[in-house]
Amino acid sequence: EAGVAQSPRYKIIEKRQSVAFWCNPISGHATLYWYQQILGQGPKLLIQFQNNGVVDDSQLPKDRFSAERLKGVDSTLKIQPAKLEDSAVYLCASSLDPGLAGFGEQYFGPGTRLTVT
Amino acid sequence: SQQGEEDPQALSIQEGENATMNCSYKTSINNLQWYRQNSGRGLVHLILIRSNEREKHSGRLRVTLDTSKKSSSLLITASRAADTASYFCATGDYKLSFGAGTTVTVRA
Repeated sequence: EAGVAQSPRYKIIEKRQSVAFWCNPISGHATLYWYQQILGQGPKLLIQFQNNGVVDDSQLPKDRFSAERLKGVDSTLKIQPAKLEDSAVYLCASSLDPGLAGFGEQYFGPGTRLTVT
Repeated sequence: SQQGEEDPQALSIQEGENATMNCSYKTSINNLQWYRQNSGRGLVHLILIRSNEREKHSGRLRVTLDTSKKSSSLLITASRAADTASYFCATGDYKLSFGAGTTVTVRA
């Protein structure tokens, strides 16, 4: 089965510019996640969608970051304007609907490496 | 803040040796997951262990969970060069929290 697709794989922008990332989850996965992974750290959840709706965006810097998931499938994450500290790998993941014990494994895309200069 | 913390931060072993890394967490959990990340790539799920399980195996991987000590360990037996990667534990039922990871280098 096809995995989680992300594009672009790499992006270099100057501070104050805007950038957008795209993610296509595994077919049938209702839940989609965006993570930010700064070099040397583990992934940090930015936003979680369940179908079209936002489940958790408590760690999303909403003054500059936005995300949408139209029609409950593809998703885009935007940063506007970018800051130097936004340099990181942005990972998209998806999972099946949660069971009684919560969500199980997540399937990750290859990520987008963003460099802000 | 991140829930799980891996130890050690880095580990270097010879091919064929075993590698052990630990994860400690702070609050009660229903399950704990381990992921691997090869350089420059996304994370790959390795194993999920539930709170009522003490040990789980998957190929050359062995995971243990001690809920009384709030800790888990991941053992990779007979390591190979391809096992060179960062390994993360993650906790949370509806929102995963990852540790900073253990970087494992397997020398040929």
